[in-house]
Amino acid sequence: EPEVTQTPSHQVTQMGQEVILRCVPISNHLYFYWYRQILGQKVEFLVSFYNNEISEKSEIFDDQFSVERPDGSNFTLKIRSTKLEDSAMYFCASSLLDSDGYTFGSGTRLTVV
Amino acid sequence: AQSVTQPDIHITVSEGASLELRCNYSYGATPYLFWYVQSPGQGLQLLLKYFSGDTLVQGIKGFEAEFKRSQSSFNLRKPSVHWSDAAEYFCALVPGANNLFFGTGTRLTVIP
Repeated sequence: EPEVTQTPSHQVTQMGQEVILRCVPISNHLYFYWYRQILGQKVEFLVSFYNNEISEKSEIFDDQFSVERPDGSNFTLKIRSTKLEDSAMYFCASSLLDSDGYTFGSGTRLTVV
Repeated sequence: AQSVTQPDIHITVSEGASLELRCNYSYGATPYLFWYVQSPGQGLQLLLKYFSGDTLVQGIKGFEAEFKRSQSSFNLRKPSVHWSDAAEYFCALVPGANNLFFGTGTRLTVIP
């Protein structure tokens, strides 16, 4: 069964450093998403991406965040200058249609120290 | 604005017992509704979804959910729980924009 792949599974970074979280969505999917889950809290929407541009973003997705689909297969989330409160599990997801059941990756646990 | 409420933070059931996880939503129209399961250290797996039509939806792993418009509910059920069902369960809706809005989750513990 096709799956969404995320790397790394766990990343530790120092506050102020840049991090790039990587995702390989399902190959024929058209919509791509990033969500995050702070420990003990609910899963929150960050951004959706379609046709090589951001289609929607939440209040969390401020200027420190950016997304890119550099080569037609990878979908990356960059945090320019990490803060302690960015520590969370970050999930990538993709879907064929915009309201379909999304397929999620297994997540990247980001720890900012 | 939309909201998803999962009233039960934690539920414990015995293996073999029936299960019902509650989900209530608030939205101006009929949303698309989903149930996801998250096992420890794992990603989110789609159990089932409701878009329209038959209000009783069958999903994977023996789960089903019933959409009740009059109660704004989309409760998840399973007739006989297995120990491997222990996980966190999230109800979610797509309110029309192309993103999922999640509830706070219900953690299920299964005792032998």
